[in-house]
Amino acid sequence: GNSVTQMEGPVTLSEEAFLTINCTYTATGYPSLFWYVQYPGEGLQLLLKATKADDKGSNKGFEATYRKETTSFHLEKGSVQVSDSAVYFCALSDNSGGSNYKLTFGKGTLLTVNP
Amino acid sequence: DTGVSQDPRHKITKRGQNVTFRCDPISEHNRLYWYRQTLGQGPEFLTYFQNEAQLEKSRLLSDRFSAERPKGSFSTLEIQRTEQGDSAMYLCASSLAFGDGDYGYTFGSGTRLTVV
Repeated sequence: GNSVTQMEGPVTLSEEAFLTINCTYTATGYPSLFWYVQYPGEGLQLLLKATKADDKGSNKGFEATYRKETTSFHLEKGSVQVSDSAVYFCALSDNSGGSNYKLTFGKGTLLTVNP
Repeated sequence: DTGVSQDPRHKITKRGQNVTFRCDPISEHNRLYWYRQTLGQGPEFLTYFQNEAQLEKSRLLSDRFSAERPKGSFSTLEIQRTEQGDSAMYLCASSLAFGDGDYGYTFGSGTRLTVV
């Protein structure tokens, strides 16, 4: 079956530090990959996505590259801000065999950025 | 459009009681999904609808759980004879599917259920 493994947190950084959150996946088909962010008290928001190998998703300074050879989709940001403090979820959507777009999520990584 | 709405935001119930949650998707979206998120875990898929048809149910969805989407608009998720293990955040999402694509996948803020 499909699964997503992401770096365990919590991760605590100082403002302007470099961020990496690792994510690897297992899928039976050829998935689309996503990063979602969940701010305290809010729902999940799509941060970025990539639908095929070597695609780079980017948004708000965050980037992740779909690496088929290493089955990875690591999230990076060059300079984090206090407002980036949230829980980050890596997810995949296995689109093989039909049009079911259910998502499989990792456990989430709590990021805290201190001023 | 105000996005995906879920009601209530919080529900506390005694073990053995029945509860029902409502989700109002984005109006033009034809797909609706239910997920469950327990503390410290990522959301887990429960079930989804395309229009009014329920097309897939996870093994997580025991026979105490039932979901409906009458007329392909809002959806309800009912849990009968609640157990403490049902305590979780229940998330709804909707999207627009046509052709080979799936667009605008949007989550609601969730309903937090606490069973005491």
